[in-house]
Amino acid sequence: QQPVQSPQAVILREGEDAVINCSSSKALYSVHWYRQKHGEAPVFLMILLKGGEQKGHEKISASFNEKKQQSSLYLTASQLSYSGTYFCGTVGQGGKLIFGQGTELSVKP
Amino acid sequence: NAGVTQTPKFQVLKTGQSMTLQCAQDMNHEYMSWYRQDPGMGLRLIHYSVGAGITDQGEVPNGYNVSRSTTEDFPLRLLSAAPSQTSVYFCASSRDRGLLRETQYFGPGTRLLVL
Repeated sequence: QQPVQSPQAVILREGEDAVINCSSSKALYSVHWYRQKHGEAPVFLMILLKGGEQKGHEKISASFNEKKQQSSLYLTASQLSYSGTYFCGTVGQGGKLIFGQGTELSVKP
Repeated sequence: NAGVTQTPKFQVLKTGQSMTLQCAQDMNHEYMSWYRQDPGMGLRLIHYSVGAGITDQGEVPNGYNVSRSTTEDFPLRLLSAAPSQTSVYFCASSRDRGLLRETQYFGPGTRLLVL
């Protein structure tokens, strides 16, 4: 079952902050975040694991609430290069990585 | 390393035709997977493999077959193409068969149009 992302789309000015949320109805072992530019393949941003460990991008932060099966990606002081579609992916008991429907982020000058 | 490679980049098929989308990786990764991407639907898992000889179904497996005879290759077969299979297909691989702690590396994608 796909995780649910919100919002579906967001428009920012350079320097503004944004939060993208990801929610699952199933127990999770890890949450993955990827960014995709138009016409390109998704690129890894971050992994959040049960127990609090994180791996990933230096300039992007995220949280993982294991009890609520929710994760949030925090984009601060946004830059034009942050534009793209952000996907969260969740890994549950089956060991499969299932992605949400994506959040389209546009950063304007 | 070439990473994850996919061929062809673009393909047009007629309804009922069959074809194989190729995927290869040179990183000795255990885990490989196929996703399809449609507008507003995100990336949906078709099939995946945790090692040579082992495959399993994802969210949307109907109409697709896979096999994994080597660690490097993971082809996706469409037996009888339908217009509903028009999509962008991504292959991905990961070092960890458990996928919990390791990133997935995506190929450049194959754009498929079924008429």
